[in-house]
Amino acid sequence: KQEVTQIPAALSVPEGENLVLNCSFTDSAIYNLQWFRQDPGKGLTSLLLIQSSQREQTSGRLNASLDKSSGRSTLYIAASQPGDSATYLCAVNIGYDYGGSQGNLIFGKGTKLSVKP
Amino acid sequence: DAGVIQSPRHEVTEMGQEVTLRCKPISGHDYLFWYRQTMMRGLELLIYFNNNVPIDDSGMPEDRFSAKMPNASFSTLKIQPSEPRDSAVYFCASSRTVNTGELFFGEGSRLTVL
Repeated sequence: KQEVTQIPAALSVPEGENLVLNCSFTDSAIYNLQWFRQDPGKGLTSLLLIQSSQREQTSGRLNASLDKSSGRSTLYIAASQPGDSATYLCAVNIGYDYGGSQGNLIFGKGTKLSVKP
Repeated sequence: DAGVIQSPRHEVTEMGQEVTLRCKPISGHDYLFWYRQTMMRGLELLIYFNNNVPIDDSGMPEDRFSAKMPNASFSTLKIQPSEPRDSAVYFCASSRTVNTGELFFGEGSRLTVL
């Protein structure tokens, strides 16, 4: 059974620091991995999607890497800002053979990031 | 685009009452997902639809839960009768395809069952 773990559960850093959030998964048979951001009382916003054949994706100050063989992904945030404070979740797409369709994302429980001014 | 729209945003009800949560996916998205989020268990997939057809409902916790998608622009998740342990945030999400997997979430419906 696929399990996704995110460590640490919470992280507090001063503004301007570069930081890394970690995500690990137990089964390397994934279709893709997605990083989300969740603000309090809000839904999830997709940040980066890495297909299984890719090693990394970049968007602005964010860079996500994927190492399928070791079951790890990292989200790198450069020059952190107070506006980056949120919970960051990773999710792996394990797919299904059910009726030939695919579509289950298994989520980690997230890392709650606080960036202090 | 307005994004995924869910209603109600908050619902407080008493045990035993029927609860209906609603979702309007993004136009043109063929896949619709219902998730539940709790502190203990995180985000869990309840059910998903492809072209209005339920594909996998193995995450639906009990027969008290049911979901429908009568057309491409509307889905409901119903709990009858509701119990306190159903208290959670219920999210609806949609995507254009499922292989590429980029999911767009609504803002959720926070359910409290007293």
